[in-house]
Amino acid sequence: GQSLEQPSEVTAVEGAIVQINCTYQTSGFYGLSWYQQHDGGAPTFLSYNGLDGLEETGRFSSFLSRSDSYGYLLLQELQMKDSASYFCAVYNFNKFYFGSGTKLNVKP
Amino acid sequence: DTAVSQTPKYLVTQMGNDKSIKCEQNLGHDTMYWYKQDSKKFLKIMFSYNNKELIINETVPNRFSPKSPDKAHLNLHINSLELGDSAVYFCASSQEASIQETQYFGPGTRLLVL
Repeated sequence: GQSLEQPSEVTAVEGAIVQINCTYQTSGFYGLSWYQQHDGGAPTFLSYNGLDGLEETGRFSSFLSRSDSYGYLLLQELQMKDSASYFCAVYNFNKFYFGSGTKLNVKP
Repeated sequence: DTAVSQTPKYLVTQMGNDKSIKCEQNLGHDTMYWYKQDSKKFLKIMFSYNNKELIINETVPNRFSPKSPDKAHLNLHINSLELGDSAVYFCASSQEASIQETQYFGPGTRLLVL
C-alpha cells in the first residue's frame, strides 16, 4: 500500500523559516508534489520534485531524497498569508495519494 | 474566467436523497478527477477520467457514479445519500494523468447530509 507521513501541525513566527517534512512508502514512485490549502479554499499546486535535490520557487523550496523516501517543503520569510495546510502527494500507477496535511500557523 | 468550476458550492440534503455535483474546466485538459476531503482534511481521490474514459476508480461505494459527457465536464452523481457522505468534494483537472502535471482544483462543493 501507500502511506505518507507529515506532522499534523507546525507553528512559526512571521519572518522565520519553517520546514515541513514528508516521508512516504510506496511502490513505483514517480515523484513528490506539494499543495497548499487555505481554510475554506481549494488546494493549489506549489512544487514538484521528480529527481533528488532542491527545487526553488521564490520563498518556497522543496527537497527530495528518493533513497530516504523523504522530502520536505521549506518556507522562508514567513508571512501571515502562509497560514494554511500543506499536503505532500505521490503518484503511483495512475493514482495520486495525498498526505494528511500539515497545518501551518504563522504568528506575528 | 474560472479555470475549474463546480456547482453547487453548498449542498444540504436529507439521507436517502439522490444528488449531483457538476464540474467544468476550460483549460483544455485531458484528465479530470473527483476528490473527497473529510472533516479531518484527509484528501482522497475517488475517480479519474482521461479523455472521457475512466482510468482510476478507487474503492468507493457504487452509490457514487461519475459521468463525463465530454472531456471538459465530469459530473458526480450520488444515490441514496448517507450521513458519512458529508464532506467537501473537489473536482480537479490536469493536462495528463501524471505527477509532473499540475492539478487545478475547483472551489469545492460542501455536502451536508442530515
